[in-house]
Amino acid sequence: AQSVAQPEDQVNVAEGNPLTVKCTYSVSGNPYLFWYVQYPNRGLQFLLKYITGDNLVKGSYGFEAEFNKSQTSFHLKKPSALVSDSALYFCAVRRGAGNTPLVFGKGTRLSVIA
Amino acid sequence: GAVVSQHPSRVICKSGTSVKIECRSLDFQATTMFWYRQFPKKSLMLMATSNEGSKATYEQGVEKDKFLINHASLTLSTLTVTSAHPEDSSFYICSARDWWSGRADEQFFGPGTRLTVL
Repeated sequence: AQSVAQPEDQVNVAEGNPLTVKCTYSVSGNPYLFWYVQYPNRGLQFLLKYITGDNLVKGSYGFEAEFNKSQTSFHLKKPSALVSDSALYFCAVRRGAGNTPLVFGKGTRLSVIA
Repeated sequence: GAVVSQHPSRVICKSGTSVKIECRSLDFQATTMFWYRQFPKKSLMLMATSNEGSKATYEQGVEKDKFLINHASLTLSTLTVTSAHPEDSSFYICSARDWWSGRADEQFFGPGTRLTVL
């Protein structure tokens, strides 16, 4: 079964510093990987995805993620964190081919401190 | 494009009553919608896959008689929590794909519905 793991419940970073939110995956076949962000009492907003191609994926709000097949990882990164980046971040994988749902990691709360 | 709405955004009900949550795709047709449940400070749990014109597919452990899903049209799916109890209090989020767009791999999420059962 497809699954993702986010090993950190909480990540704290100072504003202006680079941030990394970790995600590892377990899939059979080619992975379809995603990052979403959730602000309080809101739905999820799409950040970026990896389907195929370049291992470094750039997304919204200056975020990027690197697909690493050998380490089965898809870590989310940003070179310089903003206080407004503070939110709950979810890594997700599509469960199978076609119109199948996303399954999510447990989420990582990012706190950017001014 | 690809906007998903939910109504209501927040509902408080008494124990034993039923609550209906609507999920609409506003600018695209969604043959399939997904319903998730999010507990406080926890991940999204997939509850069911809602298929237009047919029965929903429920995840293991989700009571289909308690969480009734109806997908009556290509733009509307409803989740009815029947005989609600306090343990049903949660944040319910629906999602859909715009299968015919250039972003068919993504899921678009509604803003969520906060259900509180007293």
